[in-house]
Amino acid sequence: AQSVTQLDSQVPVFEEAPVELRCNYSSSVSVYLFWYVQYPNQGLQLLLKYLSGSTLVKGINGFEAEFNKSQTSFHLRKPSVHISDTAEYFCAVQIFGNEKLTFGTGTRLTIIP
Amino acid sequence: DAGVIQSPRHEVTEMGQEVTLRCKPISGHDYLFWYRQTMMRGLELLIYFNNNVPIDDSGMPEDRFSAKMPNASFSTLKIQPSEPRDSAVYFCASTTTDRAADTQYFGPGTRLTVL
Repeated sequence: AQSVTQLDSQVPVFEEAPVELRCNYSSSVSVYLFWYVQYPNQGLQLLLKYLSGSTLVKGINGFEAEFNKSQTSFHLRKPSVHISDTAEYFCAVQIFGNEKLTFGTGTRLTIIP
Repeated sequence: DAGVIQSPRHEVTEMGQEVTLRCKPISGHDYLFWYRQTMMRGLELLIYFNNNVPIDDSGMPEDRFSAKMPNASFSTLKIQPSEPRDSAVYFCASTTTDRAADTQYFGPGTRLTVL
């Protein structure tokens, strides 16, 4: 079975500073990887996804993530955060050929003015 | 497109009552998912459908929960009888298999409070 670990439940960051949100996964088969964002009182929306090819994936709102197969990681980064990035961020995995997503427990990103 | 539509947005009920949550997926999507989100357990997949047929209901907590998809544009999640521990935000999401690993589109959720 596959699993996702987001070690940081909360990350406070000053405005305009860089941020990295960590995600590690475990799976015995090949997976697709996703980052979703949830703004307060809203549903989740896709930030970016890794299917294949280049290990550096760029998403919306200036976010990017790097797939590292040897470390089974898919960390999310942004070089300069804004107040509007305050949200909860979820990493997720999907096994090839199965539409089911397995989500991590989420990381709450708080931007400090 | 209006996106995934869920109703009601908020539901407050008393223990023992029946609760029905509703979802309209994005037109043309052939997969529909029901999730539950709580502080303690995070985001859990309850059940998902493909072409209106339930594929995996292993996440449904117990027999008090049931889900149906009578047609491609409507699904319900029913809890009968409801209990305080069912209090959570319930999300519906839909996707299509036109391409590999297509995005799941989430509705705004239904916040359920069972007193």
